[in-house]
Amino acid sequence: GESVGLHLPTLSVQEGDNSIINCAYSNSASDYFIWYKQESGKGPQFIIDIRSNMDKRQGQRVTVLLNKTVKHLSLQIAATQPGDSAVYFCAETSETGRRALTFGSGTRLQVQP
Amino acid sequence: NAGVTQTPKFRILKIGQSMTLQCTQDMNHNYMYWYRQDPGMGLKLIYYSVGAGITDKGEVPNGYNVSRSTTEDFPLRLELAAPSQTSVYFCASTKAGGVGYTFGSGTRLTVV
Repeated sequence: GESVGLHLPTLSVQEGDNSIINCAYSNSASDYFIWYKQESGKGPQFIIDIRSNMDKRQGQRVTVLLNKTVKHLSLQIAATQPGDSAVYFCAETSETGRRALTFGSGTRLQVQP
Repeated sequence: NAGVTQTPKFRILKIGQSMTLQCTQDMNHNYMYWYRQDPGMGLKLIYYSVGAGITDKGEVPNGYNVSRSTTEDFPLRLELAAPSQTSVYFCASTKAGGVGYTFGSGTRLTVV
């Protein structure tokens, strides 16, 4: 079936640096792509989403880029902080039907002080 | 406004036992979901519901059952627990339109 996956399982960065987490997706019919942050022992926490007809969206310290030509999604975190250490998942969904999220396998971000 | 509440937080079951994982939301969301998350993996959809009285299977429904008698509650039933069902279970909900999914804090289940 369709799936969403990630290139790197673990990313280690220095505090203050920018982080880039990548994701490849295969379902070109998805309407939304979403990034979630998951801290140990907690449920996924929404970070930012992007609609399929957009190529860039910015939030507070985060930017999501969508390249539909190569089916690639990335999450950029500016000035990474220790509190950003977590596992990050990309997910995709459609506006119709069951509207369930399809998740990738996750990237662990480690922020070195 | 509590969001999505899951109980229990932890449970150990013996092989063959049964249990119900509870999920309730107070946001009047129509759509509700049950996911399982194995170590180091993303979440996989077990069952979902688009409204009271309507449920359907996700990608990994075997060994589970659900019901949706009210908008608020979406319990997940394990009838004959197996070690392969050891996982963390998350319930989530969303309203029609938008992508504002709210997740519960999870139930960590171990089957021994």
